[in-house]
Amino acid sequence: SQQGEEDPQALSIQEGENATMNCSYKTSINNLQWYRQNSGRGLVHLILIRSNEREKHSGRLRVTLDTSKKSSSLLITASRAADTASYFCATDGTGGGNKLTFGTGTQLKVEL
Amino acid sequence: KAGVTQTPRYLIKTRGQQVTLSCSPISGHRSVSWYQQTPGQGLQFLFEYFSETQRNKGNFPGRFSGRQFSNSRSEMNVSTLELGDSALYLCASSLGRAGGGYGYTFGSGTRLTVV
Repeated sequence: SQQGEEDPQALSIQEGENATMNCSYKTSINNLQWYRQNSGRGLVHLILIRSNEREKHSGRLRVTLDTSKKSSSLLITASRAADTASYFCATDGTGGGNKLTFGTGTQLKVEL
Repeated sequence: KAGVTQTPRYLIKTRGQQVTLSCSPISGHRSVSWYQQTPGQGLQFLFEYFSETQRNKGNFPGRFSGRQFSNSRSEMNVSTLELGDSALYLCASSLGRAGGGYGYTFGSGTRLTVV
């Protein structure tokens, strides 16, 4: 079963615009991670935020975490066509036995 | 530094057959996890191995099994294949277990088609 759900399911924007994706999860966590997947390939780790952190930056990526609302958001600034991919959040629920459970994903399309 | 290597990349099998998929993690990584990805169910957790021991198992039937060797390489086996087993099988390696704050490095996956 999915621990997290991403919103929106699909997002289409123009190059240069910002893209925001949200993730909601169900149980307490130690950390939350975001991954990118290009069509039919393996996932690439983007960023990890621990449960005691509220915000983290990495290049054009900004992640926030609100443990009281059990939600996280991923912001990609100044999007490029190469950012077109599916984005997944993943959590390791504190009662989940040290495994990563992935959300349903957001399909991002960045058009020229 | 070599990435996570999964073999084979593509596989076509007939219902009722069995299949073995292989995963070589990044050197030094002790944790290997397996996931099944389908359009309908998304990414579903199969197993996690750490130091040759299965530490976690997902909600899959006993036809799905796996193991990890002393060099951290891992294999998963699916017996008595069903059409519904058609999926992309992804292997991920990490230095430690997820709860310790370790990110996963994924292989490119094995695309299994059951006919």
